[in-house]
Amino acid sequence: EIVLTQSPGTLSLSPGERVTLSCRASQSVSSSYLAWYQQKPGQAPRLLIYGASSRATGIPDKFSGSGSGTDFTLTINTLEPEDFAVYYCHQYGSSPYTFGQGTKLEIK
Amino acid sequence: EVQLLESGGGLVQPGGSLRLSCGASGFTFSNFAMSWVRQAPGKGPERVSGISGGGGATYYADSVKGRFTVSRDNSNNALFLQMSTLRVDDTAVYYCAKDSKNWGSRYFDLWGRGTLVTVSS
Repeated sequence: EIVLTQSPGTLSLSPGERVTLSCRASQSVSSSYLAWYQQKPGQAPRLLIYGASSRATGIPDKFSGSGSGTDFTLTINTLEPEDFAVYYCHQYGSSPYTFGQGTKLEIK
Repeated sequence: EVQLLESGGGLVQPGGSLRLSCGASGFTFSNFAMSWVRQAPGKGPERVSGISGGGGATYYADSVKGRFTVSRDNSNNALFLQMSTLRVDDTAVYYCAKDSKNWGSRYFDLWGRGTLVTVSS
């Protein structure tokens, strides 16, 4: 099973800042089958990125993903109040599919 | 509108059973695999079960194998999860999720709002 480790666990930032979230896999993720989701309190996760760097339908270009192998990142430019949420990475290249434990973005 | 709507959650005693349902709309249901993904309080999501578009192939996480059964009714655009011999550690919000395609490696491109299952005496 591929274990995904996200860091840091919590980030305190101010609106307008730029942030990069990390997701490290215990083994190489096949074909960059890595997705990112955003989850707000009481809501379902929302797909942001798939294939490590492709934005899902309707996702603004302030969100970008990169990486390959075992190291992946999600970058969010110019944070707005609605971006403060929990972000999860997810690998779907090897069974069982696994998720990271999440990074919480909170307003400073 | 493209959406998924779960129902059937609730409070159940350890060893009990529960059946979750998920209604789908806005897409050709039978063309896509579907999954159940759960999230325990304060934890990351965990895919517990999946089923191919035609229903012929299923997946279960080791943690639920032999206790949960997934099925679908394509004529009514519905997905089900029959859960039995429930344990306290099955407590979670259960999400119905649409897979991005019907085969191969797939992510989840649409999620329902979830239904809470609480296993407690």
